[in-house]
Amino acid sequence: GAGVSQSPSNKVTEKGKDVELRCDPISGHTALYWYRQSLGQGLEFLIYFQGNSAPDKSGLPSDRFSAERTGGSVSTLTIQRTQQEDSAVYLCASSLAGDEQYFGPGTRLTVT
Amino acid sequence: QQQVKQSPQSLIVQKGGISIINCAYENTAFDYFPWYQQFPGKGPALLIAIRPDVSEKKEGRFTISFNKSAKQFSLHIMDSQPGDSATYFCASLNTGRRALTFGSGTRLQVQP
Repeated sequence: GAGVSQSPSNKVTEKGKDVELRCDPISGHTALYWYRQSLGQGLEFLIYFQGNSAPDKSGLPSDRFSAERTGGSVSTLTIQRTQQEDSAVYLCASSLAGDEQYFGPGTRLTVT
Repeated sequence: QQQVKQSPQSLIVQKGGISIINCAYENTAFDYFPWYQQFPGKGPALLIAIRPDVSEKKEGRFTISFNKSAKQFSLHIMDSQPGDSATYFCASLNTGRRALTFGSGTRLQVQP
């Protein structure tokens, strides 16, 4: 079946602009996660959604970062007033009921 | 701070040899330990995972060895092939919290 999809695959933006990154989880998966992968920080957790519960936002690095999940499916990660240190690959993952998390291909964000 | 320490940073193995990557964790609340394989430009792919109630799990050429008392686990790739050349990440998860904590990654190169 179809895996996790993310769009766009690449995004170049100017410093100070807002960006939106999209994630479509595997159909039927109730949990959705956002991670960030950068050379300096490795792979780090950002936010987790589970069903209709309040999201775990403990990994968001600043209040410029926010995410929402509509209808228990698609999620959007928004970064406001982008900074150069936001340049990274943003990865989305989803899982069913267990611990196995399946990742999408990522969105490479470059802030110039 | 929850940490997962991974070694070596890079590894070169001859075709047919055994690749061994090690990880150590600190948080005894971790109860799920996956390994991910990542090719350039792709998202991490779940390779194999283990829970602390067993000391070893084997799937094909991939084996996880787990030492609960030492808080260490390792990935063994038997009969390594050039197609195994990728970056490998260990991770740990506290089922109650759901966020994966990743090691820093090991770049494996299998020479033909």
